[in-house]
Amino acid sequence: AQSVTQLDSQVPVFEEAPVELRCNYSSSVSVYLFWYVQYPNQGLQLLLKYLSGSTLVKGINGFEAEFNKSQTSFHLRKPSVHISDTAEYFCAVDLGFQKLVFGTGTRLLVSP
Amino acid sequence: ETGVTQTPRHLVMGMTNKKSLKCEQHLGHNAMYWYKQSAKKPLELMFVYSLEERVENNSVPSRFSPECPNSSHLFLHLHTLQPEDSALYLCASSQGDSNYGYTFGSGTRLTVV
Repeated sequence: AQSVTQLDSQVPVFEEAPVELRCNYSSSVSVYLFWYVQYPNQGLQLLLKYLSGSTLVKGINGFEAEFNKSQTSFHLRKPSVHISDTAEYFCAVDLGFQKLVFGTGTRLLVSP
Repeated sequence: ETGVTQTPRHLVMGMTNKKSLKCEQHLGHNAMYWYKQSAKKPLELMFVYSLEERVENNSVPSRFSPECPNSSHLFLHLHTLQPEDSALYLCASSQGDSNYGYTFGSGTRLTVV
């Protein structure tokens, strides 16, 4: 079975500071990993994904994530956040057969 | 706009009502999904349709009834719901395997009173 764990339910950070949102997965097979962002009153938007190849994946809005197989992690990072980055962030793993399993989400709160 | 449109955006219904949620995608995708998003819970996959055939039903109560008349449209018919069914219902679509990523609609905020 595969699952996704996002340990931090909320991460407060000041504007222009760096941020890391943690994601760990459990899987015994090759995985495809995703990060989605949800702004208030909207659906989920794909930020980035890891399928294969380079372990450092760059996404939209200046975000990047690093796939670490030995630590079964896929943490999301941004070197300098903006107020507009305030949103809910979801990590997800592909179960195959057209099924994505999502974590419980991390709320990023950026304050001035 | 993401290319996946959900209507209505908000819905308030009584426990004895019958209503339907609609999802439409103009992306040429061949798979569509219903997810339920409740506070403090992971997104729950409810139904998966691939090439208009249901391929997944995650033990969803029968008071939720999906319909996929063609590859562009997906409905969720609701009847005799309970207050705990209040949530954000998200529709998504994808092309082929999900490793291409899903495209989500903005959701329908459902409140059952």
